[in-house]
Amino acid sequence: DAGITQSPRHKVTETGTPVTLRCHQTENHRYMYWYRQDPGHGLRLIHYSYGVKDTDKGEVSDGYSVSRSKTEDFLLTLESATSSQTSVYFCAISEEGSYNSPLHFGNGTRLTVT
Amino acid sequence: AQSVAQPEDQVNVAEGNPLTVKCTYSVSGNPYLFWYVQYPNRGLQFLLKYITGDNLVKGSYGFEAEFNKSQTSFHLKKPSALVSDSALYFCAVRGDSSYKLIFGSGTRLLVRP
Repeated sequence: DAGITQSPRHKVTETGTPVTLRCHQTENHRYMYWYRQDPGHGLRLIHYSYGVKDTDKGEVSDGYSVSRSKTEDFLLTLESATSSQTSVYFCAISEEGSYNSPLHFGNGTRLTVT
Repeated sequence: AQSVAQPEDQVNVAEGNPLTVKCTYSVSGNPYLFWYVQYPNRGLQFLLKYITGDNLVKGSYGFEAEFNKSQTSFHLKKPSALVSDSALYFCAVRGDSSYKLIFGSGTRLLVRP
């Protein structure tokens, strides 16, 4: 497996609380992504980063923010968690843009918002 | 807008038989197409990609995919299925920028002994 660590692996939180998920890579890849996986929807891109401090929105970015202060770390923050954000969150990395080099995924964080 | 469809939620096949997992796509330019596999409680793993060139693309674990431009399809195939191939398979297409991959909803493959 590519050197990608997601933490925590599981989290249960209450509606309205802030939550931060962490993705750490040891591959020194430029591109990092956050996806969420929901039944019937496949994977949907939340945010992505193409370098330190360079981030952009994906297709389902509302309610989420990200930060990348170092090459190896990409943080996903839910400012005020809602039940609709219950999902499995995957971090991915790639050496080049996603069309030209494959994505390598972490093992996911299962988030439950009660 | 780019999109990808996987028309089958589940595919069942007997071990040793050939398997096909279907994928159709819609793009406005040249298609960049991918297959990924997901095992339980794991992230997705890259299987193969089509960028240009031969219509038959070979990938990991004996899988291959056939690109058909006229039918806008990119079906995943394997000549002889293994029980260990049972997993969730995702087709993906490059989005409207080089950073975005659009994933299908996934097809669960079940290979019975």
